[in-house]
Amino acid sequence: KAGVTQTPRYLIKTRGQQVTLSCSPISGHRSVSWYQQTPGQGLQFLFEYFSETQRNKGNFPGRFSGRQFSNSRSEMNVSTLELGDSALYLCASSLAWWGRSYEQYFGPGTRLTVT
Amino acid sequence: GQQVMQIPQYQHVQEGEDFTTYCNSSTTLSNIQWYKQRPGGHPVFLIQLVKSGEVKKQKRLTFQFGEAKKNSSLHITATQTTDVGTYFCVFYTGANSKLTFGKGITLSVRP
Repeated sequence: KAGVTQTPRYLIKTRGQQVTLSCSPISGHRSVSWYQQTPGQGLQFLFEYFSETQRNKGNFPGRFSGRQFSNSRSEMNVSTLELGDSALYLCASSLAWWGRSYEQYFGPGTRLTVT
Repeated sequence: GQQVMQIPQYQHVQEGEDFTTYCNSSTTLSNIQWYKQRPGGHPVFLIQLVKSGEVKKQKRLTFQFGEAKKNSSLHITATQTTDVGTYFCVFYTGANSKLTFGKGITLSVRP
């Protein structure tokens, strides 16, 4: 079974631009979660989707948004990029929407650099 | 809000030494998961603990859930260089709750 894939793997953007990252979950997984990882803040939860509905949201500004499609693929968008948005963005898929009893499978991440 | 403390944040050990890290919560947890992230890699699921006092072993790794379900520990016996990485504890508190990762403990092993 193929793992979680994320595209692109690396991205360089300038301040003020917007960016869209994509995540394809493991086949059969309907839950997709997004995380931001930085050296200073560690792994922080962005949001979680299940069956095209956002089920949970972390403490990030409205510039961060996401969506999930009917095939469970998910995208996240960051508008008006700031230098502090430079991070590794990880996507994880799981069997259950709230993920409480199921492990999450992480993708390799998208390394975003904002200049 | 709910706080999860992972202590220590960094640990350096000599290969062959034992290593223990702890994850402490301010409130009772319904379950806890542990993940490992190798340098340059992504988090990989290790184990899930659900029951009070539960102990699970994976080769040289021993995971324990506290009796009060407020803390968990990871013990590695006779560390090897392959154990290098960051270990995260992760938990949910119930339906519709946010998934929270501890800050992680970064382990380095001197050969």
